[in-house]
Amino acid sequence: SAVISQKPSRDICQRGTSLTIQCQVDSQVTMMFWYRQQPGQSLTLIATANQGSEATYESGFVIDKFPISRPNLTFSTLTVSNMSPEDSSIYLCSVALGFGEKLFFGSGTQLSVL
Amino acid sequence: AQKVTQAQTEISVVEKEDVTLDCVYETRDTTYYLFWYKQPPSGELVFLIRRNSFDEQNEISGRYSWNFQKSTSSFNFTITASQVVDSAVYFCALSVGGSYIPTFGRGTSLIVHP
Repeated sequence: SAVISQKPSRDICQRGTSLTIQCQVDSQVTMMFWYRQQPGQSLTLIATANQGSEATYESGFVIDKFPISRPNLTFSTLTVSNMSPEDSSIYLCSVALGFGEKLFFGSGTQLSVL
Repeated sequence: AQKVTQAQTEISVVEKEDVTLDCVYETRDTTYYLFWYKQPPSGELVFLIRRNSFDEQNEISGRYSWNFQKSTSSFNFTITASQVVDSAVYFCALSVGGSYIPTFGRGTSLIVHP
């Protein structure tokens, strides 16, 4: 089992600014993931956050726009940089405890960009 | 490549009605895992069930039941005597052997009216 604390839960930001989302897990986990969920849409994987190495980004997502840190096995941050209204979404962090195991999710960050 | 299809975008029922949410999956792997998650209006994804490809037994948990049929590549979810609290978006997901990362369907929004 894993309990994930994600913050902030929501924010309203001005275009051109950046927001950093934090994700804290109550146990050490190898695999952490960041998802984006645009309004009315499914979950889209942004990147896999690896401890001690660069994050692995999915097609369509780049490090300059979504820099990720993973300083240890219990914590990760996702920054949404130079925001535009198109970045308005729910951002979710999640962890997996093994192959084929269920994902545990944070409560999500509802981001609105004006 | 894997694919999950949830053809029903939105379902609207009246309380106490039974409702079935469809999920059809595609994979060439013989080892895979199927999941259902619930996302209530609060936004946090809640795990409901996990099934592996070698276990076709149907499962019942209270008012929830799942019908896994490999012959039709389907993993359907039925809620019996629906309640207003069942109103949520439900996601079906598929994870193939050796992967931490599931493929999510687009989700089905269930609205239960009093």
